[in-house]
Amino acid sequence: AQSVTQPDIHITVSEGASLELRCNYSYGATPYLFWYVQSPGQGLQLLLKYFSGDTLVQGIKGFEAEFKRSQSSFNLRKPSVHWSDAAEYFCAVGKTSYDKVIFGPGTSLSVIP
Amino acid sequence: EPEVTQTPSHQVTQMGQEVILRCVPISNHLYFYWYRQILGQKVEFLVSFYNNEISEKSEIFDDQFSVERPDGSNFTLKIRSTKLEDSAMYFCASAPAVLGYEQYFGPGTRLTVT
Repeated sequence: AQSVTQPDIHITVSEGASLELRCNYSYGATPYLFWYVQSPGQGLQLLLKYFSGDTLVQGIKGFEAEFKRSQSSFNLRKPSVHWSDAAEYFCAVGKTSYDKVIFGPGTSLSVIP
Repeated sequence: EPEVTQTPSHQVTQMGQEVILRCVPISNHLYFYWYRQILGQKVEFLVSFYNNEISEKSEIFDDQFSVERPDGSNFTLKIRSTKLEDSAMYFCASAPAVLGYEQYFGPGTRLTVT
């Protein structure tokens, strides 16, 4: 069965600092991987996705993620965090692009000025 | 840009009542889904629907839940007899039957059971 872990429940970074959110997945074949962001009381916004090809994917809002098959990881990065990036971040996995999506528990990001 | 819409945005109901949550998927999509997110928790898959039938459902999706595509545009989730623990945000999603396109999520319906 597919599963996703996000080891960090909560992360606090200073504005302008770099960010890395960790994600590990469990799936036998090549997964379809996603990162979503959710502001309080809001819906899910897709930041980026990996389906195949280049293992470094670029997303919206200056985010990028790298797929590492050997480590079963799909970590999210941003070189310089803005206060507006404070939100909940969910890593997710699917067997195909239209299979159910399995979400991780989320990482809450706080940004201090 | 086409989007998934959901109504209502917030529904309050009393325990034991039936509720119907409505979704309008993107028009040329063929896969439809419901997910739920209990406050402060992760998003959980409930059910997927394709070709007018359930293609997969989770353990959460028990007999008190049902889904329907009553016409060519709507996709509904019915909870027959709501419980306090059904209070959650319910997200609808849709996807085309083509590899390479992700699911598109609606804004959610917040269900409060009192």
